[in-house]
Amino acid sequence: DAMVIQNPRYQVTQFGKPVTLSCSQTLNHNVMYWYQQKSSQAPKLLFHYYDKDFNNEADTPDNFQSRRPNTSFCFLDIRSPGLGDAAMYLCATSRGGGEKLFFGSGTQLSVL
Amino acid sequence: KQEVTQIPAALSVPEGENLVLNCSFTDSAIYNLQWFRQDPGKGLTSLLLIQSSQREQTSGRLNASLDKSSGRSTLYIAASQPGDSATYLCAVKDSNYQLIWGAGTKLIIKP
Repeated sequence: DAMVIQNPRYQVTQFGKPVTLSCSQTLNHNVMYWYQQKSSQAPKLLFHYYDKDFNNEADTPDNFQSRRPNTSFCFLDIRSPGLGDAAMYLCATSRGGGEKLFFGSGTQLSVL
Repeated sequence: KQEVTQIPAALSVPEGENLVLNCSFTDSAIYNLQWFRQDPGKGLTSLLLIQSSQREQTSGRLNASLDKSSGRSTLYIAASQPGDSATYLCAVKDSNYQLIWGAGTKLIIKP
């Protein structure tokens, strides 16, 4: 029944060691988003795909990259994680840019 | 620049009470407004979405209203239950399709 699926639920990586988070969806939505959320803060948009068009937020660090190989899957790559990158990473989808967002359960990233 | 504020930051009420959560925004030129619920350590669940042309939306015990002229939205929860305990966030989609988030209200329903 899950519609937006994020794996893994918890990810531990070492300082500077590349890590990839994954997101898949069964909704066939054309827009996919990656958010970063730190404790007790609102989600912060990192980037989104409108179909295959990639849209990077101006303040998203170069350390963060994304891939969307097809409609269903989207990946977040953190090339050299720092301690400040420890956070919850949320994937979301929507049908069009102005429609309701559907979120996954998130991946909690720890950096040691 | 659109800003979204949620007051109070935290709220604790006894079970069974009706309650109202508030969301205010500075620019009335919005596309829509969404209310979300977030349980600790989990993702967000969309509760209600109100388009700019609408005044309210209802789902079960939840009712969300929108008054663009005053820059306010409220989320009304009827007959609150301990399972309603969560953080509630509102987010405004502005005319540039940017989603602007409030910081959330942490709600605790005491049995």
